[in-house]
Amino acid sequence: EAQVTQNPRYLITVTGKKLTVTCSQNMNHEYMSWYRQDPGLGLRQIYYSMNVEVTDKGDVPEGYKVSRKEKRNFPLILESPSPNQTSLYFCASRESLNYGYTFGSGTRLTVV
Amino acid sequence: EDQVTQSPEALRLQEGESSSLNCSYTVSGLRGLFWYRQDPGKGPEFLFTLYSAGEEKEKERLKATLTKKESFLHITAPKPEDSATYLCAVDSGNTPLVFGKGTRLSVIA
Repeated sequence: EAQVTQNPRYLITVTGKKLTVTCSQNMNHEYMSWYRQDPGLGLRQIYYSMNVEVTDKGDVPEGYKVSRKEKRNFPLILESPSPNQTSLYFCASRESLNYGYTFGSGTRLTVV
Repeated sequence: EDQVTQSPEALRLQEGESSSLNCSYTVSGLRGLFWYRQDPGKGPEFLFTLYSAGEEKEKERLKATLTKKESFLHITAPKPEDSATYLCAVDSGNTPLVFGKGTRLSVIA
């Protein structure tokens, strides 16, 4: 089944403790992206990648890092999480700019 | 800067009561406009892509249309299972996909 897989689905952590949210897609898509979704603010792009080793900042990149060492994986790294990064995070991939994104099921992160 | 505005924020319909959702956009050059459906706590599910003014796409009770300034998602004779948040997004080629805040649709039996 074609899908984008994120892990974990739920995560509660403490301020400053480094964490990684994994994302993997099995569709051989070149484009991958991370979004966060907050009430009243909608979906906002954090980072995106157009190919292996090619990443760029989205609208809200502060406090986040990404890497794209393999085509299928696009992990999101929070080096020192803060409470304002509490949010619902989505990873997504698409075949090309002419196609819509396929989204993962989401990771609900709480930073206390 | 690319902008997407969706209206209304929330819409409550009786089962069978047709209506339309609006997505107004401002982009430097539209490569594509996308409609998604999102159920609570889940990832958005892709519905349609529209590329040029005058284009229409249909899927079951949903029909999406596109003009040079806006897109409409028409819902014909909705059922309770159509209840969800509907998201619109535009791609201008500058940065991939800018999303609107969505319209929360409730269909009451």
